Amino acid sequence: KQEVTQIPAALSVPEGENLVLNCSFTDSAIYNLQWFRQDPGKGLTSLLLIQSSQREQTSGRLNASLDKSSGRSTLYIAASQPGDSATYLCAVVPGGYNKLIFGAGTRLAVHP
Amino acid sequence: DAGVTQSPTHLIKTRGQHVTLRCSPISGHKSVSWYQQVLGQGPQFIFQYYEKEERGRGNFPDRFSARQFPNYSSELNVNALLLGDSALYLCASSRGASGSPSYNEQFFGPGTRLTVL
Repeated sequence: KQEVTQIPAALSVPEGENLVLNCSFTDSAIYNLQWFRQDPGKGLTSLLLIQSSQREQTSGRLNASLDKSSGRSTLYIAASQPGDSATYLCAVVPGGYNKLIFGAGTRLAVHP
Repeated sequence: DAGVTQSPTHLIKTRGQHVTLRCSPISGHKSVSWYQQVLGQGPQFIFQYYEKEERGRGNFPDRFSARQFPNYSSELNVNALLLGDSALYLCASSRGASGSPSYNEQFFGPGTRLTVL
């Protein structure tokens, strides 16, 4: 059974720091991996999608890497800003089945 | 283009009642999935529909049911509501249900907040 774990559960940093959020999954047979952002009480915004054949994806200040063999992904946020404060969720798609299996998320607070 | 829309935004029901939640996918998307997110947890998969057929079902009781209409919109129905059904219900749409990852990328709506008293 695929399980997704995110560490840390919560993170509070001063503005300007570079951050690394971690995601691990138990079954390496994934189709792709997505990182999402969720603001309190709101829906999910897709940040990055990494296909199983890819090692990383970049969008602006965000960079996500994928190591299928070790069952790990990291989301790197450069030069954090207060507007980055949100919960970040990692989700994997098991091979051949288009459902997302989510971790519990990392709650990020960036203070001025 | 409009994103995924859901209605209603908020809903308050009492135990034992029935509820219907609605979702309209992004134009051109033929697949709709439903997720339940309890406070402090990640979303849990409930159903996926593609071309009006159920393609997947998560580990939820038979009180939960769904359907997809010819225009690809979808309804999620929950019968005999329990306190534990209180959650944010999220709908996601994608172009398809299998194939290339870009075809399957899911886009989420704002959710319906259900409170059961």
